[in-house]
Amino acid sequence: AQSVAQPEDQVNVAEGNPLTVKCTYSVSGNPYLFWYVQYPNRGLQFLLKYITGDNLVKGSYGFEAEFNKSQTSFHLKKPSALVSDSALYFCAVRDIQSYGQNFVFGPGTRLSVLP
Amino acid sequence: AAGVIQSPRHLIKEKRETATLKCYPIPRHDTVYWYQQGPGQDPQFLISFYEKMQSDKGSIPDRFSAQQFSDYHSELNMSSLELGDSALYFCASSFPTGGNTEAFFGQGTRLTVV
Repeated sequence: AQSVAQPEDQVNVAEGNPLTVKCTYSVSGNPYLFWYVQYPNRGLQFLLKYITGDNLVKGSYGFEAEFNKSQTSFHLKKPSALVSDSALYFCAVRDIQSYGQNFVFGPGTRLSVLP
Repeated sequence: AAGVIQSPRHLIKEKRETATLKCYPIPRHDTVYWYQQGPGQDPQFLISFYEKMQSDKGSIPDRFSAQQFSDYHSELNMSSLELGDSALYFCASSFPTGGNTEAFFGQGTRLTVV
């Protein structure tokens, strides 16, 4: 079965510092990986995805993610964190083995950017 | 740009009552997903539809049912509600094309069962 893990429940970073939110995956076949962000009482917003090609993927709001096949990781990064980046971040994999190809989410990481 | 529309945004029901949640996907998206997110939890897949046919089923209780209509909107019907059904219910839509497209999520319906 396809799955993703986010080893950190909480990440704290000072504003202006670089941030990393970690994700590792376990899939059969090629991974289709996604990052979503959720603000309080809001839906999930798509940030970026890795399908194929360059290992460094750039997405919305200055976020990027690095795909590492040997480490089965897809860490989310941003060079300079903003207080407004504080939110819940979910890594997800698309289960292409299921007929519906649904999205399987990790447990989420709460990012707090401190002023 | 048009987004996924869910209604209602908030719903309060008593135990053993029924509830109907509605979802209007992004135009031309032919796949709809329903997810349940409990407090402090990740979204759990319930059910999906492709071209108005059920395509996959996740951890959806037998008390719940869903369908997608000819205009592609979808409804999640929940009966014999229990306190544990209190959660945020998300609908998402996408193209199914081989897994390389993202899903777009609605704002969710917050269901509170009292």
